[in-house]
Amino acid sequence: DTGVSQDPRHKITKRGQNVTFRCDPISEHNRLYWYRQTLGQGPEFLTYFQNEAQLEKSRLLSDRFSAERPKGSFSTLEIQRTEQGDSAMYLCASSLVGASETQYFGPGTRLLVL
Amino acid sequence: QKEVEQDPGPLSVPEGAIVSLNCTYSNSAFQYFMWYRQYSRKGPELLMYTYSSGNKEDGRFTAQVDKSSKYISLFIRDSQPSDSATYLCAPNAGNMLTFGGGTRLMVKP
Repeated sequence: DTGVSQDPRHKITKRGQNVTFRCDPISEHNRLYWYRQTLGQGPEFLTYFQNEAQLEKSRLLSDRFSAERPKGSFSTLEIQRTEQGDSAMYLCASSLVGASETQYFGPGTRLLVL
Repeated sequence: QKEVEQDPGPLSVPEGAIVSLNCTYSNSAFQYFMWYRQYSRKGPELLMYTYSSGNKEDGRFTAQVDKSSKYISLFIRDSQPSDSATYLCAPNAGNMLTFGGGTRLMVKP
């Protein structure tokens, strides 16, 4: 399968714990995006990378959130000191610059903070 | 007011019906207009996209964009129960997608 993959698919954690999610984009894609989706809503943009550079961050991305893409391939999204309001589906997408910016999504990581 | 608005539905139609799904948007900078389909607890799946105004057809699906009225439409012909999902419009100004809230469609056999 050459699509976008995300790990884990589900995560249950207690409030105050740190969690880390991983995204592996489509191999030739140089842009990688993170979105968050809550129940009944469309995905909301969090941040994106072009190669290893983080080019834009939403104001939704509080100081407790950090994303990295150290070698321009996979990316990690870490949430520190989780809160119940962080419960959501975290989606990763990738695209190729110049190709209409068409973004292809992974299956998402569903986070539940108790 | 959100940048992209969609009626959340649910929209319930009989199998074989023509379905019309719509979005309005406010940002004139949007150039690409994507439609994604999302099944329950899955990631969004790209259906099709158009660039600027006009129509685009792909099998049973037709996307329309009217930039003068900032109105986006997706038509589904001969709808099937397998089309039951949430449909998300997502205009793009070059970087991140701005999603509508999605319209839930139910096609009844």
